[in-house]
Amino acid sequence: DQQVKQNSPSLSVQEGRISILNCDYTNSMFDYFLWYKKYPAEGPTFLISISSIKDKNEDGRFTVFLNKSAKHLSLHIVPSQPGDSAVYFCAASVGSGANSKLTFGKGITLSVRP
Amino acid sequence: GAGVSQSPRYKVAKRGQDVALRCDPISGHVSLFWYQQALGQGPEFLTYFQNEAQLDKSGLPSDRFFAERPEGSVSTLKIQRTQQEDSAVYLCASSPIQGAIEKLFFGSGTQLSVL
Repeated sequence: DQQVKQNSPSLSVQEGRISILNCDYTNSMFDYFLWYKKYPAEGPTFLISISSIKDKNEDGRFTVFLNKSAKHLSLHIVPSQPGDSAVYFCAASVGSGANSKLTFGKGITLSVRP
Repeated sequence: GAGVSQSPRYKVAKRGQDVALRCDPISGHVSLFWYQQALGQGPEFLTYFQNEAQLDKSGLPSDRFFAERPEGSVSTLKIQRTQQEDSAVYLCASSPIQGAIEKLFFGSGTQLSVL
């Protein structure tokens, strides 16, 4: 049973527009959420995170929104750039320490058209 | 090196063969994780080390999988009698123990293909 779900396998947007990537989770114990970006032949790299005590976290062009009651989070990228084209993984954990294990979704392939 | 290094980058094994995958974490990183990423899936947790101690091995799929980190630095993931379902990318990640989860750095992985 998938505890973290990314139901859309791909998304294509025009450069300069907003990209919205969605993620749902089922485990109520999760209290920390992260987004990772992955280029081909590379490992995932950390992008942005949010604690369950917050509903929004912003870092430059990237904003993550958390709706705890709906067990839903989303990543907004504004404006989208061609270099943002990659696979994006949503991940969740219980706790935010260095020893916390991550549960990942299947990923969304984002394509930003010039 | 500056990042987490994994070798080999690619490994092709015949079914039934034993394989060993190596991870060199970032120097000084105490925590080390192994994840398995099957095609079209997200990474899945296999095991966790703090220094040389294997504190969590709940994600290892069978007793054919074995991981070690004898000196608290380099780690090896061994798979005995490989099966086709073991084909995946195996990712290693490390972090400093005093850091937060955002300080987890992943290697590029070893892509294992079992024929």
